[in-house]
Amino acid sequence: GAVVSQHPSRVICKSGTSVKIECRSLDFQATTMFWYRQFPKKSLMLMATSNEGSKATYEQGVEKDKFLINHASLTLSTLTVTSAHPEDSSFYICSASQTGGNTEAFFGQGTRLTVV
Amino acid sequence: GENVEQHPSTLSVQEGDSAVIKCTYSDSASNYFPWYKQELGKRPQLIIDIRSNVGEKKDQRIAVTLNKTAKHFSLHITETQPEDSAVYFCAAPPPRGFQKLVFGTGTRLLVSP
Repeated sequence: GAVVSQHPSRVICKSGTSVKIECRSLDFQATTMFWYRQFPKKSLMLMATSNEGSKATYEQGVEKDKFLINHASLTLSTLTVTSAHPEDSSFYICSASQTGGNTEAFFGQGTRLTVV
Repeated sequence: GENVEQHPSTLSVQEGDSAVIKCTYSDSASNYFPWYKQELGKRPQLIIDIRSNVGEKKDQRIAVTLNKTAKHFSLHITETQPEDSAVYFCAAPPPRGFQKLVFGTGTRLLVSP
């Protein structure tokens, strides 16, 4: 299957700093990628849709100025958590699919963010 | 938008028993229904999916059934093994957002030896 790589897998940062998470499709092009957030023992909650070459589409209740998304190429989307606070600590995970109808979503390995 | 409900939230079975997890969805136009398995701290992995033009799909010990009229689909695992222990998520995409998955709340399956 297709490979989606996410980096870093773990990050600890201080309150007030920003953290960038990268999501790469290694062997296919992805015009659209998705960012999810997962709290412990909870489901994956869609945060936003990352669109190559255009602005991301955010789900209701997700602050776009807090979670900056950039999708500058067909293989890379980045999520930047700005001015991080402890409540932003979570597991962030991206997904991408090969283009063409309903196809399997491949997930990155996730990023465990801890804000101290 | 699409709403997906999943039951049960936890399921404990003995090795060799069968396990069934059920999901309902809200949008009758949805036409793709995947099931994911997620082990602790790992990424979700697709285990089986079904499209709306079929009612059942099977892959070895895993099967999925779909009832479009009732808007529900189920995951069936037979002859469960301890390595089946994980959290299982169903999902459905909104009709025009085919890659944009809305996940169920998850089922924690525990298979005891």
